[in-house]
Amino acid sequence: AQSVTQLDSQVPVFEEAPVELRCNYSSSVSVYLFWYVQYPNQGLQLLLKYLSGSTLVESINGFEAEFNKSQTSFHLRKPSVHISDTAEYFCAVSALGTYKYIFGTGTRLKVLA
Amino acid sequence: DADVTQTPRNRITKTGKRIMLECSQTKGHDRMYWYRQDPGLGLRLIYYSFDVKDINKGEISDGYSVSRQAQAKFSLSLESAIPNQTALYFCATSAHRDTNTGELFFGEGSRLTVL
Repeated sequence: AQSVTQLDSQVPVFEEAPVELRCNYSSSVSVYLFWYVQYPNQGLQLLLKYLSGSTLVESINGFEAEFNKSQTSFHLRKPSVHISDTAEYFCAVSALGTYKYIFGTGTRLKVLA
Repeated sequence: DADVTQTPRNRITKTGKRIMLECSQTKGHDRMYWYRQDPGLGLRLIYYSFDVKDINKGEISDGYSVSRQAQAKFSLSLESAIPNQTALYFCATSAHRDTNTGELFFGEGSRLTVL
């Protein structure tokens, strides 16, 4: 079975500061990893995903995440956040060959002016 | 128009009432899912369907049922609603050809309150 742990339920950060949202997973098989973002009063949308290849993946709006197999982590980072990045971020894992997407409990990122 | 549409967006009901949440999609995807979101618990899978004839229970299916009326429509029913079913419900879709590497596309959610 797979599981996902997001260690921080809330992360306040000032505008233009860097941020890291942590995600750790456990699985006995190979997995695919995802970050989804949920803006207020909206559904979730894919931010970025790791399937294979380069362990560093990037999104179009400046976020990046690095797959670390030895530490079973997939932390999300952004060097300089904007007010518009305020949202809830969910890490998700899916084992190869299954239908299942297992979501973490989410991290609320609040960017302060 | 949204690719994944959920109705109603908000509903308040009483304990014991039957409730149906509907989901329709224009993405042409085979796979459809119903998730429940609770504060601090993330998203949990209720039911999923790979096509019209293939419906499966997720991790928290008790108290819920579903119907896949067509490839584009997937409804979630609460036969007798109870207060701990108060939550935000999401429908999602994904394309079969991407198997589980593909992106999930979510509706905007249906907020259900059971008094």
